[in-house]
Amino acid sequence: DAGITQSPRHKVTETGTPVTLRCHQTENHRYMYWYRQDPGHGLRLIHYSYGVKDTDKGEVSDGYSVSRSKTEDFLLTLESATSSQTSVYFCAISRTGGNYGYTFGSGTRLTVV
Amino acid sequence: QQQVKQSPQSLIVQKGGIPIINCAYENTAFDYFPWYQQFPGKGPALLIAIRPDVSEKKEGRFTISFNKSAKQFSLHIMDSQPGDSATYFCAASRQGGSEKLVFGKGTKLTVNP
Repeated sequence: DAGITQSPRHKVTETGTPVTLRCHQTENHRYMYWYRQDPGHGLRLIHYSYGVKDTDKGEVSDGYSVSRSKTEDFLLTLESATSSQTSVYFCAISRTGGNYGYTFGSGTRLTVV
Repeated sequence: QQQVKQSPQSLIVQKGGIPIINCAYENTAFDYFPWYQQFPGKGPALLIAIRPDVSEKKEGRFTISFNKSAKQFSLHIMDSQPGDSATYFCAASRQGGSEKLVFGKGTKLTVNP
């Protein structure tokens, strides 16, 4: 999607290894979000950021950490990947927060074996 | 109070039919109700949104109907086409930058030729 890029698009990793997913935006939006999408669960919020170095937990934050050192980049780290973290991860951005909608990236498909 | 309940989970219609997807919410402070459309392998994309000062909004073949007293809103797709086959998510949010979208669990729509 224009203005928001996720990398990598696909990744296979082994249980117990650290993994970092990157979300990069060129829109200068203040708010950034990480979601995971699993069948039957829809979109679940992992962590979000409301500015540089300002982050907070979502509903499924256990096992994940985030960092935002620049407006344009929001990193999601799985410190020690587990099979339950196999999922599709989406980043989203918003200029003004939830009340005016989000723009989503194209996703990262992560498989933990 | 933060939940948005979406139904049905899946829906199959014939080309030209009018699929209807319903969502219900509890939090009366919600004042922004978007629908997102997601094609396989892509991120969700904003389709149409409504605020509670109107009861209906149309954009092309897509219509949102909003019933404030019942705390329900629905998506109607007129003259549905196979290209409308996708997963649809409803969502809701309150005012305020720190507020986040609360998503329904999604409806997988299949439109048969």
